[in-house]
Amino acid sequence: NAGVTQTPKFRVLKTGQSMTLLCAQDMNHEYMYWYRQDPGMGLRLIHYSVGEGTTAKGEVPDGYNVSRLKKQNFLLGLESAAPSQTSVYFCASSSGGTSGLYEQYFGPGTRLTVT
Amino acid sequence: AQSVTQLDSQVPVFEEAPVELRCNYSSSVSVYLFWYVQYPNQGLQLLLKYLSGSTLVKGINGFEAEFNKSQTSFHLRKPSVHISDTAEYFCAVKMNTGFQKLVFGTGTRLLVSP
Repeated sequence: NAGVTQTPKFRVLKTGQSMTLLCAQDMNHEYMYWYRQDPGMGLRLIHYSVGEGTTAKGEVPDGYNVSRLKKQNFLLGLESAAPSQTSVYFCASSSGGTSGLYEQYFGPGTRLTVT
Repeated sequence: AQSVTQLDSQVPVFEEAPVELRCNYSSSVSVYLFWYVQYPNQGLQLLLKYLSGSTLVKGINGFEAEFNKSQTSFHLRKPSVHISDTAEYFCAVKMNTGFQKLVFGTGTRLLVSP
């Protein structure tokens, strides 16, 4: 049981390049989330999904797209990277139903630098 | 909308001393409250949560937190810290109805020195 995994762990992009971050969970969770963490700002929600085939915008969605084609995977895309997207990205998941809304399980993070 | 304030960005403390990390929230409705810990270069891990019932909540690694509705606070405490408690601690809140997203505070870095 690996929990929540993220690939890659590190990445350096040039401005204007694109990339996709992959999140996978093996807990059969309904809900998945993408956050970014910046110094002094805590975690901010980028996009989230309440089930396979669904996505929704979070607090800071601009410049990102997501897809949830399979229940266990949640992809975060950057179509044209900008230096302002330099951050640590965390994926999380939680189970559905009322009991499952209470705990999110986090992946180890992806450190992205855009030059 | 809810918001979370962690006034202390960094708390230095000596090993075996007690510590309190402060968290205040604002919300017009009832909320659920959480504390997460992030060790260096790792993801977040749930320490404890308050959903209902007793206002004193015990979590992992000897931490506890007290929910104070009148003061809208959820401070985290540990009577005796270890070097291994050095980490960043995040308070988070969500509304207790329906699917509502977690709102995180900005975090408090706990630095435990010998």
